[in-house]
Amino acid sequence: EVHLVESGGNLVKPGGSLRLSCAASGFTFSDYNMNWVRQVPGRGLEWVASISGSSSHIYYADSVKGRFTISRDNAKNSLYLQMNSLRVEDTALYYCARPDCSGDDCLLLLYWGQGTVVTVSS
Amino acid sequence: DIQMTQSPSTLSASVGDRVTITCRASQSFSTWLAWYQQSPGKAPKLLIHLTSTLASGVPSRFSGSGSGTEFTLTISSLQPDDFATYYCQQYNSYYRTFGQGTKVEL
Repeated sequence: EVHLVESGGNLVKPGGSLRLSCAASGFTFSDYNMNWVRQVPGRGLEWVASISGSSSHIYYADSVKGRFTISRDNAKNSLYLQMNSLRVEDTALYYCARPDCSGDDCLLLLYWGQGTVVTVSS
Repeated sequence: DIQMTQSPSTLSASVGDRVTITCRASQSFSTWLAWYQQSPGKAPKLLIHLTSTLASGVPSRFSGSGSGTEFTLTISSLQPDDFATYYCQQYNSYYRTFGQGTKVEL
């Protein structure tokens, strides 16, 4: 069974940094591209970043480009999101998500974790 | 990026009602359109992909249709578990975008 567990969310001041982690199990982690999606409380969903299985291809939403860095450690079955220069508008529930199939062309998000909360406030 | 606009934002309905939610895209793309259901405190759950293909285990009262820039999600007979928020999403590329959501309430 696919299992995704996010951690690392916390309260941080504007301009601060935070590193989120996603522990994956139940599948061959290195075969799948992985993704971060966030949800502002009471609002909609926003795709944040994606990384291919080999880390050779990385994509970011314009809203986080230059401030966030997605990475992965296939030996540890873990996905990360380094968040720098945090803004109040980055406050959200951050989900780790896996597509329905293996390979870099698989874009449909099927499996989601339960999320970790990031609050940016002074 | 492709912008996705859902309507309505909120929909009041009763058990047994037929419900339709519309999603419009800012530019045309193929059939890479998905619908998700989200209940309070839960992660999104995939309902439909490739515009009209039901995800595994999803009841047949859910259906999807559309092409180009206009897509719809229909629930033929609303059940108590269906009161939730629904999101469309295009996955035409890695730069995926979601609609703003439609809350189906009693």
